[in-house]
Amino acid sequence: GNSVTQMEGPVTLSEEAFLTINCTYTATGYPSLFWYVQYPGEGLQLLLKATKADDKGSNKGFEATYRKETTSFHLEKGSVQVSDSAVYFCALSGWGAQKLVFGQGTRLTINP
Amino acid sequence: EPEVTQTPSHQVTQMGQEVILRCVPISNHLYFYWYRQILGQKVEFLVSFYNNEISEKSEIFDDQFSVERPDGSNFTLKIRSTKLEDSAMYFCASNQGANTGELFFGEGSRLTVL
Repeated sequence: GNSVTQMEGPVTLSEEAFLTINCTYTATGYPSLFWYVQYPGEGLQLLLKATKADDKGSNKGFEATYRKETTSFHLEKGSVQVSDSAVYFCALSGWGAQKLVFGQGTRLTINP
Repeated sequence: EPEVTQTPSHQVTQMGQEVILRCVPISNHLYFYWYRQILGQKVEFLVSFYNNEISEKSEIFDDQFSVERPDGSNFTLKIRSTKLEDSAMYFCASNQGANTGELFFGEGSRLTVL
């Protein structure tokens, strides 16, 4: 079945550092890929998405590229801020499916 | 901005008791979902609901679980006889239509079973 694997956290960085959170997936067909973020005390919210191979999703300075050859969707940001501290979830939905399959989440803490 | 709301934010219950978790999805959304996250584990799909019936459910969603949309606004998850392993954060979500992939989540209801 479909599955998502994220790098284990927690991840702690200094402000303005470069961020990468790795995500790889296993799926049949052509899934859509997502990054969701959960800020403290809030629900999960969509950060970015990509629906086909080589698409790049981007939002709030974050980027992720759908790599079919490596079955990956790594999240990157060039210069993180304290306000980026949150839990980040990689997810996929199978073609034609409504439900999301999530990774385990990566807790990111940015220190000033 | 419209949002999904969930109540209660935290519930503590004794093993064997019935629990109802409530959700108010975004008003023009058509698809509704429950997910759960046991502490330290993945966010897991439980059930999806469309047109007043379950459209898909996971293996976790056994006979102890049920969902209902009792009126035009609420979407509830009932656990008939709670077990210790039901302790988790339960997330409600909704979206407008097929294949958009973007779900709108509530803040979650933390259930602790003692």
